[in-house]
Amino acid sequence: DAGVIQSPRHEVTEMGQEVTLRCKPISGHNSLFWYRQTMMRGLELLIYFNNNVPIDDSGMPEDRFSAKMPNASFSTLKIQPSEPRDSAVYFCASRTSGTGSYNEQFFGPGTRLTVL
Amino acid sequence: DAKTTQPPSMDCAEGRAANLPCNHSTISGNEYVYWYRQIHSQGPQYIIHGLKNNETNEMASLIITEDRKSSTLILPHATLRDTAVYYCIVRRNSYNNNDMRFGAGTRLTVKP
Repeated sequence: DAGVIQSPRHEVTEMGQEVTLRCKPISGHNSLFWYRQTMMRGLELLIYFNNNVPIDDSGMPEDRFSAKMPNASFSTLKIQPSEPRDSAVYFCASRTSGTGSYNEQFFGPGTRLTVL
Repeated sequence: DAKTTQPPSMDCAEGRAANLPCNHSTISGNEYVYWYRQIHSQGPQYIIHGLKNNETNEMASLIITEDRKSSTLILPHATLRDTAVYYCIVRRNSYNNNDMRFGAGTRLTVKP
């Protein structure tokens, strides 16, 4: 398996532009997570999905951020309009979920976003 | 989920055991201890987890005190590639508690 796939790996944009980050989870995983990492705030959970349904979006910083999971193999995180303070590395992760034993969470390589 | 406290940084000599402590004094009976690590510019990687018994796998050992208020991750023979930030996380392991939230972690530097 190729692991969690994220695109693009690097994105540089100007303030006010729309940014869309993409994630393909590992096949068979039914939970998907979006994280943001900065030096100041560390690794923050933004939102996660179970079976394509958003479960907890309390970490989404504001209305400029939105996430979708139209099917089991694809998710997007959109920022519109983007601001310089959104500059960060955005990670996507996936795992299988169920009662009982713990299933390892696998992270993608991340997307480094720079908003000028 | 219970809060964890870790030292911000530690050094270890290559080839020696690295012992990374974690305090979780408010842990409750149904909460597990998890360890992940993040090597520079990569996504976090799962290491090990446990409830109350000590655990060992090919990467590390996890020692949990009898009162479960603290634990230690042991890398038995640290290598330069073990230099990373190590995160200790405490959470319930249930279907509806599905998120993994990371604190500041311990930055381990393995030196030659």
